[in-house]
Amino acid sequence: RKEVEQDPGPFNVPEGATVAFNCTYSNSASQSFFWYRQDCRKEPKLLMSVYSSGNEDGRFTAQLNRASQYISLLIRDSKLSDSATYLCVVNLSGYSTLTFGKGTMLLVSP
Amino acid sequence: DTGVSQDPRHKITKRGQNVTFRCDPISEHNRLYWYRQTLGQGPEFLTYFQNEAQLEKSRLLSDRFSAERPKGSFSTLEIQRTEQGDSAMYLCASSPRTSGGNEQFFGPGTRLTVL
Repeated sequence: RKEVEQDPGPFNVPEGATVAFNCTYSNSASQSFFWYRQDCRKEPKLLMSVYSSGNEDGRFTAQLNRASQYISLLIRDSKLSDSATYLCVVNLSGYSTLTFGKGTMLLVSP
Repeated sequence: DTGVSQDPRHKITKRGQNVTFRCDPISEHNRLYWYRQTLGQGPEFLTYFQNEAQLEKSRLLSDRFSAERPKGSFSTLEIQRTEQGDSAMYLCASSPRTSGGNEQFFGPGTRLTVL
């Protein structure tokens, strides 16, 4: 079983749609969770951290369920500029290295 | 530009040749990471430095790979006797002491093609 698994993509949605990405992680000792965004042929960039209570940043909402070892990202009112690959990322306690999922590609069309 | 920089951005080499990549982290970031990314995959961790000390190496890092960060600033990643399977994007990232490695800032990467 892979350490971080994400929905296979791509997701094709029209502008204005709501889209949700799911992610599961295998190591219950994982302590920190993130979503990174990676544009085509560019480097990954931190989109948002994910907290146990859930957190929101504008149109983006992240949720964490530690019991199920499940992370989600919801994008509301999607824009053309949201087209990118979304990477689910986990950091184990006591380690500084990040473990990435394969990513889920989002394509927003007019 | 005060972000992470990497050099070269692209490298094409023949199988069996040695290559060396350089990474300049954000100044005052004491942590530096190397990752490898192939098409359709997320970045995979290779190695990690805190200042000049190499604290962790992935099992992905075979004997042909070596990384250094001699003065705790820039880092180099060398691949000896390159193989076609080494073709990938090599990403460098850095993070400040205060973040515990949680937020990492990535450079643009070096794309290696081994013919």
